[in-house]
Amino acid sequence: QSALTQPASVSGSPGQSITISCTGTSSDVGGYNYVSWYQQHPVKAPKLVIYEVNNRPSGVSNRFSGSQSGNTASLTISGLQAEDEADYFCSSYTSSSTAVFGGGTKLTVV
Amino acid sequence: QVQLQESGPGLVKPSETLSLTCTVSGGSISTHYWSWIRQPPGKGLEWIGYLFSSGGTNYNPSLKSRLTISRDTSKSQFALRLSSVTAADTAIYYCAKVGGTLDTFDFWGQGTMVTVSS
Repeated sequence: QSALTQPASVSGSPGQSITISCTGTSSDVGGYNYVSWYQQHPVKAPKLVIYEVNNRPSGVSNRFSGSQSGNTASLTISGLQAEDEADYFCSSYTSSSTAVFGGGTKLTVV
Repeated sequence: QVQLQESGPGLVKPSETLSLTCTVSGGSISTHYWSWIRQPPGKGLEWIGYLFSSGGTNYNPSLKSRLTISRDTSKSQFALRLSSVTAADTAIYYCAKVGGTLDTFDFWGQGTMVTVSS
């Protein structure tokens, strides 16, 4: 199974909005509404921020939102804050009853 | 609140077997699904496999021939065994609880670094 495709890096200024894309195929992202997003700060374990495309776990800021169109899912962070600077990974369920992750996107808040 | 803790050797020789254990507290391994995930230094996440509440498993096809995931319900632990390791298996290994869908990992251990080197 091939990794989902994410941009290597994105950047934004405090207060702005950014969007990170996650592109797969009809056998994973496009076939199901099962995409999750994780935030990972340096030397920390990943933290779930979005599940089932556009749902936020309890305690996650409403500045985080998700969407999906066809084979591409997206994570949007609005009102960017310095603490949002981290790596972000998407994951998807696949037609083989497995999971696959994206390659990760480094978000820089400049 | 579910908590997970990985344990095992930090150094494994090439061609040998990597063995790790995940100890779960705050949740039953018999009523949830669990997973192993790894991250090579400076790289992305790779899903390794599932342990289902039934005790069944499903593995990443690229690792399937070398991989075994098992559990000890009496100790609230599940384990990973990866045989014939090479330097490419050097990574931080995480255990995680699967959430409502199989792509969702809602609780993670802190991770343990395993280096494959002679």
